[in-house]
Amino acid sequence: KAGVTQTPRYLIKTRGQQVTLSCSPISGHRSVSWYQQTPGQGLQFLFEYFSETQRNKGNFPGRFSGRQFSNSRSEMNVSTLELGDSALYLCASSLASAGQETQYFGPGTRLLVL
Amino acid sequence: AQSVTQLGSHVSVSEGALVLLRCNYSSSVPPYLFWYVQYPNQGLQLLLKYTSAATLVKGINGFEAEFKKSETSFHLTKPSAHMSDAAEYFCAVTTGGGNKLTFGTGTQLKVEL
Repeated sequence: KAGVTQTPRYLIKTRGQQVTLSCSPISGHRSVSWYQQTPGQGLQFLFEYFSETQRNKGNFPGRFSGRQFSNSRSEMNVSTLELGDSALYLCASSLASAGQETQYFGPGTRLLVL
Repeated sequence: AQSVTQLGSHVSVSEGALVLLRCNYSSSVPPYLFWYVQYPNQGLQLLLKYTSAATLVKGINGFEAEFKKSETSFHLTKPSAHMSDAAEYFCAVTTGGGNKLTFGTGTQLKVEL
């Protein structure tokens, strides 16, 4: 079974631009979560989608948004990019949205904002 | 609110020695606890998880962890370190109601010959 895939793997943007990252979960998984990883703040939860509905949201500004499609694929969007948005963005999928579910992580998208 | 504290941002062991990575959690309700490993330029891989069944949890690659409620701990151990264990290890907690994981700051494990 194929793992979680994320595209693109690397991205360079300039301040003020917007970016869209994509995540394809493992087949059959209905929950997709997004995390931001930076050297300074570590791993932080962005949001979780389950059956096209946002289930949980972390403490990030409204510039960070996401959505999930009927095939469970998910996208996250960051508008008006800031230098501090440079990070590794990780997507994780799981069968259900029930805490004890194992989340399987993709390789991440590394975003550099100049 | 839940939180995780990982003591020791860097741990160094000799090959063949015991690996002990510390994790303490804080949660007002029974937690679900996870250990993940991250190799350079890769995503996170689950090593093991505690979901209120057995308190001693065995994971992949010879790792295990014991849930101790009285100590609010979930330390990760491996009897004999291998060079391939060198990586960053993250402890995480969630309490249900979705898949929001709260991660610790990570421990970089170095294995020396």
